[in-house]
This record gives sequence, C-alpha cells and structure tokens, in this order.
Amino acid sequence: QKEVEQNSGPLSVPEGAIASLNCTYSDRGSQSFFWYRQYSGKSPELIMSIYSNGDKEDGRFTAQLNKASQYVSLLIRDSQPSDSATYLCAVKGSSASKIIFGSGTRLSIRP
Amino acid sequence: NAGVMQNPRHLVRRRGQEARLRCSPMKGHSHVYWYRQLPEEGLKFMVYLQKENIIDESGMPKERFSAEFPKEGPSILRIQQVVRGDSAAYFCASSPREGSNTEAFFGQGTRLTVV
Repeated sequence: QKEVEQNSGPLSVPEGAIASLNCTYSDRGSQSFFWYRQYSGKSPELIMSIYSNGDKEDGRFTAQLNKASQYVSLLIRDSQPSDSATYLCAVKGSSASKIIFGSGTRLSIRP
Repeated sequence: NAGVMQNPRHLVRRRGQEARLRCSPMKGHSHVYWYRQLPEEGLKFMVYLQKENIIDESGMPKERFSAEFPKEGPSILRIQQVVRGDSAAYFCASSPREGSNTEAFFGQGTRLTVV
C-alpha cells in the first residue's frame, strides 16, 4: 500500500464548475497535510495546508480533512483554465519526519 | 525576499562524472528536504536535513549519493559517478523549523541530464 494515494487522472472539469481532488494516507500518526500545485516543467507551489479535522477555506480553495477516515480533499470552486495543473497531496507525520507526496492528480479545466 | 534558490538550473554530466546540486533555503529557514522527480512521476523523498545534521536519509540510494547542510552555506546534494538513470529533476524545499505544523517551500529545481 502506498503511503499517500491519489487518483492520477486526468480529471476533466468544465470552466466554472467545482473540481474535487481526493487523497488517502496510510499513517494514522500523520499530523500535517498539504496541497501543492505543479505546472508542467515547473516546481511545486504550496496552495493549502491543513492540520485539524474539518474544512479550511482560502479564496476559491477549500481543503477538507478527516483523520478518522485518513482522507484529505481539495475543492476548487469556479474552476479556471489556469487551474489546469497537477495537484500533489503531501503528508507529514511527527515533527521529525519527512513530507511524503502522492503521485499527483492531473486536472484539466475545459473552456 | 528571496525564495528557495537552487543552482544550477540545468546540469549536464557525462557518465562517471560527479554532480553537485546546491540549495539555499529561504531566509530564516533551517531545514531542507531533497526530492527527485522523473518525468510524469511524483516527488520521491530523498533526504531531510537541518544545519549540520541529517534527520532522515531513508530515501537516499545506498551508494553514490550524499547530502550535507553545513552551518554556513547552501545544502549540497552530491551524486558521484553519475549514470543515465540519475537523469531527473531534483527539487529542494525549505522550512523554518522542525515541527509538524510547518510548511515547506520549493526551489525552482535542477534538471540533471546524464549523457
């Protein structure tokens, strides 16, 4: 079982709709959860972090965390063509632990 | 307010040569992660360091690869006797401190090509 799992996609969403990206993780001791966006040929860019159960909103982005189900999600409202990228879910355990990345979900916003 | 700086951005090495990749963390950051990414693949963890200490090197290949983060200067990822399979993008990320609730920010990466 992979430590962090994501559907590789591609996920195609019409412009203006809500894009929903999902991630599961295997380590129940994980404490920190991140979403990064990576455009082709570029470096990952941090877009959201979440540390406690529930929802966290930042502009058009909402991160959701359910530690009991070991599940993290990212919602993108009013999707724009510029949101087309690969979205990486990342998980960190204890304070001295590494950050582990999922393999990413490719999102395509169609006009 | 400089971000994480990596150099060189592109590096070409012949098989058998050494590659040295440098990462200067953001100002005030004392922790560095190194990752390798092959085309169309995810980020593979290699090593997690703080100044003068390796915290976790569980992702480092046993041979030819080493990393350091001295008290002064950038973090260095060193690959000895490179082979074609080492061709990849190498990214570093920095964070301000140890702790679970700390975010990591990435540099632009070094694209290594072994010919």
